[in-house]
Amino acid sequence: GAVVSQHPSWVICKSGTSVKIECRSLDFQATTMFWYRQFPKQSLMLMATSNEGSKATYEQGVEKDKFLINHASLTLSTLTVTSAHPEDSSFYICSTPFPAGSGYGYTFGSGTRLTVV
Amino acid sequence: GQQLNQSPQSMFIQEGEDVSMNCTSSSIFNTWLWYKQDPGEGPVLLIALYKAGELTSNGRLTAQFGITRKDSFLNISASIPSDVGIYFCAGPLPTGANNLFFGTGTRLTVIP
Repeated sequence: GAVVSQHPSWVICKSGTSVKIECRSLDFQATTMFWYRQFPKQSLMLMATSNEGSKATYEQGVEKDKFLINHASLTLSTLTVTSAHPEDSSFYICSTPFPAGSGYGYTFGSGTRLTVV
Repeated sequence: GQQLNQSPQSMFIQEGEDVSMNCTSSSIFNTWLWYKQDPGEGPVLLIALYKAGELTSNGRLTAQFGITRKDSFLNISASIPSDVGIYFCAGPLPTGANNLFFGTGTRLTVIP
């Protein structure tokens, strides 16, 4: 089935530094990647949508200069949290629609737990 | 704004018991998806529903798409310890956006 590989699975960084999270689609092309954020005991909230070769669109309240998204190829999308602060500590998950002809649905990465100290 | 409210928020049950949870929306959905999320993992699709009134099973899981298209429920029969996790309903917003909108989640604990 369609698999999205997300790395790292967890990361601890110092306040003020930047962290890059990668999501790779394995054996299929992901033209669209959704990036979600999940705070403890809360639901998944969409942060932004990236489309290969074009600028990402951000949800209201999400700072595009802080959460940099790059989708330069059909198999890789990255989210960089710049100048991280403790309030950015969260679980970040990527998701992409199943490939055409594979049925309706979305596949998710395994998530990245970011802790900013 | 759009809300998908799930109830109950959390539940503690004995192994072997049946479980029922539901999801209600403030607006119509054309597709309902049920996901399970284990701690520290991404959600995994359990059941997808495409038509109002549809009833679909996946092993011990059964889900229904409400006739009003504003609700859905998920039942788990004969629960086992590995059913522990957070269950989310989700669906693409009828606005045409391609992303999924997630419910508030139901946290299930199964006591052996």
